[in-house]
Amino acid sequence: GDSVTQMEGPVTLSEEAFLTINCTYTATGYPSLFWYVQYPGEGLQLLLKATKADDKGSNKGFEATYRKETTSFHLEKGSVQVSDSAVYFCALSDPTNAGKSTFGDGTTLTVKP
Amino acid sequence: DVKVTQSSRYLVKRTGEKVFLECVQDMDHENMFWYRQDPGLGLRLIYFSYDVKMKEKGDIPEGYSVSREKKERFSLILESASTNQTSMYLCASSFRARGRQEYFGPGTRLTVT
Repeated sequence: GDSVTQMEGPVTLSEEAFLTINCTYTATGYPSLFWYVQYPGEGLQLLLKATKADDKGSNKGFEATYRKETTSFHLEKGSVQVSDSAVYFCALSDPTNAGKSTFGDGTTLTVKP
Repeated sequence: DVKVTQSSRYLVKRTGEKVFLECVQDMDHENMFWYRQDPGLGLRLIYFSYDVKMKEKGDIPEGYSVSREKKERFSLILESASTNQTSMYLCASSFRARGRQEYFGPGTRLTVT
């Protein structure tokens, strides 16, 4: 079945540091890939997505590139802010899986001033 | 903006009570989902509905049932609440088309005492 493996946390960085959160996946079809973010006390919201190989998703300074050859979708940001502190989830949506998404376990990011 | 609302943000119930969690979406989405979120376990799918009156079991359906009588509303029912059902419950919805993201509600923190 489908699976998503993402970097274990928690991750603690200083403000303006570079962020990478690794994400790899297995899927039977050709999935769409997503990063969701969950701020404290809230539900998940979409951060960025990519629907086919070599697509780059970007939003709010975050980027991730759909790499089919390495089955990866790593999240990066060049300079993190305190307001980026949240839980980040990598996910895939496989059209052969009846409309359901598969989520990674989430990575907690804390950014210190 | 898509809105997914959940009937309660916080709920406290006693063991053995029947509990109803309601979710409403306003974007005419075909798919609706119920997840529970627990520390260290990520998001786990309880039930999924791809149309009115249609449902599929997710990864952890035991102890839960669902109802979808109208397209915009998806209810999660705990037939006889137990302490191990204390958790954060997240509702989500999406279009059926390929590459669709899920839109999440704010969550209901349920405590069963």
